[in-house]
Amino acid sequence: DVKVTQSSRYLVKRTGEKVFLECVQDMDHENMFWYRQDPGLGLRLIYFSYDVKMKEKGDIPEGYSVSREKKERFSLILESASTNQTSMYLCASRIPGQKNQPQHFGDGTRLSIL
Amino acid sequence: KNQVEQSPQSLIILEGKNCTLQCNYTVSPFSNLRWYKQDTGRGPVSLTIMTFSENTKSNGRYTATLDADTKQSSLHITASQLSDSASYICVVRGTGGSYIPTFGRGTSLIVHP
Repeated sequence: DVKVTQSSRYLVKRTGEKVFLECVQDMDHENMFWYRQDPGLGLRLIYFSYDVKMKEKGDIPEGYSVSREKKERFSLILESASTNQTSMYLCASRIPGQKNQPQHFGDGTRLSIL
Repeated sequence: KNQVEQSPQSLIILEGKNCTLQCNYTVSPFSNLRWYKQDTGRGPVSLTIMTFSENTKSNGRYTATLDADTKQSSLHITASQLSDSASYICVVRGTGGSYIPTFGRGTSLIVHP
C-alpha cells in the first residue's frame, strides 16, 4: 500500500513565523501535491511538483512556496505565516502518465496561526 | 472554467437507510470521475473510478453511476452503517495529460444509530 506521511498532525505557530510542512511518500511517485482544505470550500491546490526540483503553481500559491530536493519528499513553506493560513493541509502523491491512477493522500496537518 | 458541483452539501440519515449523493460537472473533454471518502481527521481515500464507457460500478455497498451525456454522477450507499459517516468528494479529470483534476466541495454524510 502507498503511504504518504505528513510530519505533524497538529501545529500551532505565530503570525510572521516561517513554517515548514513536510510530506514523505514511499512509492517512488513522481507527482506530488499540496492542498489546503477549508469548510465549505473543499480542497484547493496550492502547488504541485511533477518531478524532483520541478514545481508548478496551483490555484492559490500566494504566501506559499515549496521545495522538492528528493523524489520522496515535498515540503510546503509558509514564508511569513498569517492567520488566514489557518487550515487543514493535505499532501498527495500519484504515479504520472496513468490517467486512471488515484492521488494518495496523507492524513493532513491541522495548522493554527495565532 | 471546469467546475464540479455536489449536492446535497450535508445529509443526515438513520443507520440501515439508503442514500444517494449527486455530482454534476462541466469538465470537458472528460477522462474520468472518481469518488473519494474522507473520514474525520483522515485524508481522502479512493472509493471508485468511472471512465467514459462505464455507466455503473459497485464497490460493496457503494454503487456509482455515470451519465456522460448529462455530465452527472451519483453515489448510492445501501444499508448505511455508522462507519459511512464521512465526507464524500467527487473529482473529475479531463483529457490532455493534465495532472490536475477538479475537486467538488464534498457532501458531509452523518449516519445516526
